[in-house]
This record gives sequence, structure tokens and C-alpha cells, in this order.
Amino acid sequence: NAGVTQTPKFQVLKTGQSMTLQCAQDMNHEYMSWYRQDPGMGLRLIHYSVGAGITDQGEVPNGYNVSRSTTEDFPLRLLSAAPSQTSVYFCASSYLQGNEKLFFGSGTQLSVL
Amino acid sequence: DAKTTQPNSMESNEEEPVHLPCNHSTISGTDYIHWYRQLPSQGPEYVIHGLTSNVNNRMASLAIAEDRKSSTLILHRATLRDAAVYYCILRDSNSGYALNFGKGTSLLVTP
Repeated sequence: NAGVTQTPKFQVLKTGQSMTLQCAQDMNHEYMSWYRQDPGMGLRLIHYSVGAGITDQGEVPNGYNVSRSTTEDFPLRLLSAAPSQTSVYFCASSYLQGNEKLFFGSGTQLSVL
Repeated sequence: DAKTTQPNSMESNEEEPVHLPCNHSTISGTDYIHWYRQLPSQGPEYVIHGLTSNVNNRMASLAIAEDRKSSTLILHRATLRDAAVYYCILRDSNSGYALNFGKGTSLLVTP
């Protein structure tokens, strides 16, 4: 049981490049979400999903796209990376009921030059 | 959207109890109170959660005010490994929607 797996752990991009951050969970969780954490700050919600084919925006969705074609995977796409997107990205999942705890991945450190 | 307010930092001596407060005056009836902690260079990990009644688990206790507008995470005997940033968040039970974590409380534990 691997839990929530994020890849890659580290990534450096040039401004304007695109890439996809991967997130996979093996716990059959309906709910998945992406957060970003800037230095000295808390986590801010980017996008979330309550099941395959269903996604919605969080507080800071601009510049990011998501899709949820399977229960297990929830990739985060940066279409045209900007320096302001330099951050640590965390994926989290849980069963859908709001009283269930979130499981977090170990994070992806992204630098955009 | 309901938000939470926590002190930026707190300090405790090792092996003493720690009470971490959280205010959530705009909490709705369907919001659960969750606590997570984040060790340096790691993702957040679950600590405890509750709705109305006080809760205990092997890591901590959660005391919830009768009007639910505030709560307190209690670490019964702080250890050096408890030094972390502690986040109090509200999670809507209908949508599963978990809001931003805010800056949390940075707990320093001294020997």
C-alpha cells in the first residue's frame, strides 16, 4: 500500500515550458486535491476532484489545469510555466465524506527560471 | 468560506503539555474541525478531527468549544519530535471541500 505518490520530486523549468505533475493514490479515494506551498506560507488549494470526470477550482487555479479520468490519478498541468509558479506542490486524497482525514504525498519542488 | 485563526508561534518545554488554540467563528454546522501537522521538508500529516464532541487518539486530544467557534489541540507531553507547524482547518462534510491551510502555528519544543 503506497498511499499517495507524487512524481517528480524535483523539477526545474524555463519560463513558458509546460509540464505535468503526477499524483496517484492506491486507496480508492474519491476525493483528490492539489495544493501549493510558498516559502513561509500555508497550503493553498489549487484544484480538487470528488470523482472521476469531476473537477473544480480552489483558491488559486489560474495557470493550472487538471483532469480526472480514473479514480487513482489526478495530474496537474502547467501549460506555460511562470516564475510565480515556483513552489512546493502537494497532492492529497481522502474518502469523499468530509469527516475523513486527508493523506498527503511527499511533494514536488518546482522551480521556474 | 469559513476560515481559521491561529497564533503564529508557540513554545513549550519537553515533556510538558501543549495547548494549541484555533478560532473559527464562522464555522457552519456541516464543517468538521481537522488538525494536521507538517514537519520540515515533509507533507502534512493528519493529527485528529472532530465535529462537536471532544476527541482523543494516540497522538493528541481535541477540545471543541460548546458553540464550536473555537477548538484546542492538546499534546499531553511534548517531545522534540512534536516540533512542527500545526494547522487547524475546516472541512465541509457535504462536498469534502478542504480550504486553504493558512500559516498555522509553529511549535518550538525545547529540552
